[in-house]
Amino acid sequence: DSGVTQTPKHLITATGQRVTLRCSPRSGDLSVYWYQQSLDQGLQFLIQYYNGEERAKGNILERFSAQQFPDLHSELNLSSLELGDSALYFCASTLGPTGGNTEAFFGQGTRLTVV
Amino acid sequence: QQPVQSPQAVILREGEDAVINCSSSKALYSVHWYRQKHGEAPVFLMILLKGGEQKGHDKISASFNEKKQQSSLYLTASQLSYSGTYFCGTGNTGTASKLTFGTGTRLQVTL
Repeated sequence: DSGVTQTPKHLITATGQRVTLRCSPRSGDLSVYWYQQSLDQGLQFLIQYYNGEERAKGNILERFSAQQFPDLHSELNLSSLELGDSALYFCASTLGPTGGNTEAFFGQGTRLTVV
Repeated sequence: QQPVQSPQAVILREGEDAVINCSSSKALYSVHWYRQKHGEAPVFLMILLKGGEQKGHDKISASFNEKKQQSSLYLTASQLSYSGTYFCGTGNTGTASKLTFGTGTRLQVTL
């Protein structure tokens, strides 16, 4: 158990809808990262928050947004969903802001299926 | 830019050795190795930092060649539990916020 909690585990929704994925980082970790993993693909970085502030942005679509709350949990909002958005969405956390030089702990992921 | 991993897939018999390579077109500060079982979260194996030494635990070790911008993961006397997809993640600077992951190497260990 990595200590990172993601909910829900599975989500099935229709095209055009909006969903919210939730992530609670490991106790004490201030950074949260969101990654998208499509079928048999690598992990694509979406966005990072550190202590409530956006720190880094990757290939995140304009239809997607995220935030980190004062209690450090984070939510990823996906709107106007398309079939191609179906993927595993992982959240990871690190203690500090520099995920490039420290171990990241991953949650179990949310599997999103858009039908 | 995404690091390139090779091979894309490998099948081993239990007890055999394997090497997985990770190569970047950019200067590297760090290389991380993760293993992911199907449908599960990636699990951290090790991190190698610029200027650091080769690392390893049990029968898994890794090296980092800063000049060549490459890292290799060595799996010795593989076990069935080693099966999964191995990802390298690279950080380009000491203050890098994120990891850029390679496309993965699928490893299957059979009896």
